[in-house]
Amino acid sequence: AQRVTQPEKLLSVFKGAPVELKCNYSYSGSPELFWYVQYSRQRLQLLLRHISRESIKGFTADLNKGETSFHLKKPFAQEEDSAMYYCALRSYGGATNKLIFGTGTLLAVQP
Amino acid sequence: GAVVSQHPSWVICKSGTSVKIECRSLDFQATTMFWYRQFPKQSLMLMATSNEGSKATYEQGVEKDKFLINHASLTLSTLTVTSAHPEDSSFYICSARVRGTDPYEQYFGPGTRLTVT
Repeated sequence: AQRVTQPEKLLSVFKGAPVELKCNYSYSGSPELFWYVQYSRQRLQLLLRHISRESIKGFTADLNKGETSFHLKKPFAQEEDSAMYYCALRSYGGATNKLIFGTGTLLAVQP
Repeated sequence: GAVVSQHPSWVICKSGTSVKIECRSLDFQATTMFWYRQFPKQSLMLMATSNEGSKATYEQGVEKDKFLINHASLTLSTLTVTSAHPEDSSFYICSARVRGTDPYEQYFGPGTRLTVT
């Protein structure tokens, strides 16, 4: 079964502390994984994707196929990082492909 | 950048009536549009995928006769909730995939809050 699991509903850290948002997936093929972010009162937007191996706003995520994980990390959290973060898996099947989302983790960065 | 709009942003309707939600790609052509439903503090659940000019593909458990999707052009898709009931109250989000560029890029609308009384 194709599934994305984000075990933490809420992660609260202090400004300047390291952040790790966990994401595990279940997929039979070669996975394509993404992190989306939704700031307060804003729409969902792409943060980063594993194929790009990029760092966006200080965030990085490494795909670990052995552990089927794609955790999102940032060494020093900022207050403006407070948002809802969704891990997503691209699933292929039929005529098109689609994104399967995790349940999301609310990151709250305290001053 | 690519912008997706939704109209209305919120709507209240009476039980038994139908309501239409529009999703537009403002500055790009969308080969594919997706409709999601999000319950409070829960994830986005894909309802259906629509390709311009063809019938929508519905996810398992989604009633296609209740949630009518029309993708009439490369910039417009509509979701009509027919004979709405209070349990249909939710946040509906559309998303569009850009035509002719990065096949992985998908842009999201701001969502429509539907309340059925």
